[in-house]
Amino acid sequence: TAGITQAPTSQILAAGRSMTLRCTQDMRHNAMYWYRQDLGLGLRLIHYSNTAGTTGKGEVPDGYSVSRANTDDFPLTLASAVPSQTSVYFCASSGGTSGGNEQFFGPGTRLTVL
Amino acid sequence: GQNIDQPTEMTATEGAIVQINCTYQTSGFNGLFWYQQHAGEAPTFLSYNVLDGLEEKGRFSSFLSRSKGYSYLLLKELQMKDSASYLCAVKAGNYQLIWGAGTKLIIKP
Repeated sequence: TAGITQAPTSQILAAGRSMTLRCTQDMRHNAMYWYRQDLGLGLRLIHYSNTAGTTGKGEVPDGYSVSRANTDDFPLTLASAVPSQTSVYFCASSGGTSGGNEQFFGPGTRLTVL
Repeated sequence: GQNIDQPTEMTATEGAIVQINCTYQTSGFNGLFWYQQHAGEAPTFLSYNVLDGLEEKGRFSSFLSRSKGYSYLLLKELQMKDSASYLCAVKAGNYQLIWGAGTKLIIKP
């Protein structure tokens, strides 16, 4: 079982360009999440989806958009990248949003915006 | 506001015991998670506490006091592979986890 996969592993992107970070899970989890992780800061939630067809804004949603057309995929799009979006991006999923449903993380995408 | 505090870095000796503390102030509380994250890798789940008390899982234990807004992760019989960052996260609502910045644990021989 692959769990959660993310692509690409890393990317260098020119400022102003758009990019989609891909995330796919094969655990049939209802909930999925996008985080960014910056040195010295905790993981910060960008967007989440409780179930296919629904999405919500997290702590730092500006400059990012998501879609959840099906259970397995949860792509994150940067419409016009800026240097402050340089970060490591993690996708995660969980079986539900209640109780102790732990989140499982993908391997991450390291994005550098120049 | 929402705040989670944990020490930035700790050092311990192989074979010893170390306790990593986490204090939190959040608008709600639906449980507290501990995750381990090795450098360059994704976080992996270690433990979950929702009731007061100690949860033991092998060499790792996690404690929670809701009245004090306090938790700790206890690692026994430290091994070199335990060198990692340990992340404390509080489930404040139905979906969102509020994350601490993590504690980098350095194990020395």
